[in-house]
Amino acid sequence: AQKITQTQPGMFVQEKEAVTLDCTYDTSDQSYGLFWYKQPSSGEMIFLIYQGSYDEQNATEGRYSLNFQKARKSANLVISASQLGDSAMYFCAMREGRRGFKTIFGAGTRLFVKA
Amino acid sequence: NAGVTQTPKFQVLKTGQSMTLQCAQDMNHNSMYWYRQDPGMGLRLIYYSASEGTTDKGEVPNGYNVSRLNKREFSLRLESAAPSQTSVYFCASIWGTGGSDTQYFGPGTRLTVL
Repeated sequence: AQKITQTQPGMFVQEKEAVTLDCTYDTSDQSYGLFWYKQPSSGEMIFLIYQGSYDEQNATEGRYSLNFQKARKSANLVISASQLGDSAMYFCAMREGRRGFKTIFGAGTRLFVKA
Repeated sequence: NAGVTQTPKFQVLKTGQSMTLQCAQDMNHNSMYWYRQDPGMGLRLIYYSASEGTTDKGEVPNGYNVSRLNKREFSLRLESAAPSQTSVYFCASIWGTGGSDTQYFGPGTRLTVL
């Protein structure tokens, strides 16, 4: 069954340091997409980064990179040089290729960046 | 472009009352979605519409109905609100059905059922 697991309810990181947010997934499909979203305290959902199951390179978007380990079914988000504005909830999500309409979300990780 | 818009932003209902949450997108997207987010939790899919004229159940459809009025608009109706439906509701849309298509979210509707 399609499932996303985020095992870190909360994480702390010092400003300017890097942090890794964990995400594991379960799917029987070969074709799927993995996404990370940021939700600040204002509540909106902000798309950060995407990784396709057939992509050989790890995705990067500015300070965000996705550490994709297909065999382990993990898609961890790495934020480099953390900023105070990175304090937010972060959600990992997956969309399966065969059932491309449905996107499921993990429970989220709350990141706190300390000055 | 306004993107995905939702109305109302806030709503308080009494148990048993009905209401409709409105969602519209101006990006010519084909697929539209309704999610709910309970405190401290991720998003759970209520209903989705892969294209105009079609709707399908998601993970938590009980107590809700939807209408895909046209390509732009997708409404969510609570026929008889219950306290368990207190949540933040997000509408979202995607252009296509490909795995890489980015999902765009509305700002959310915060619903409280007393």
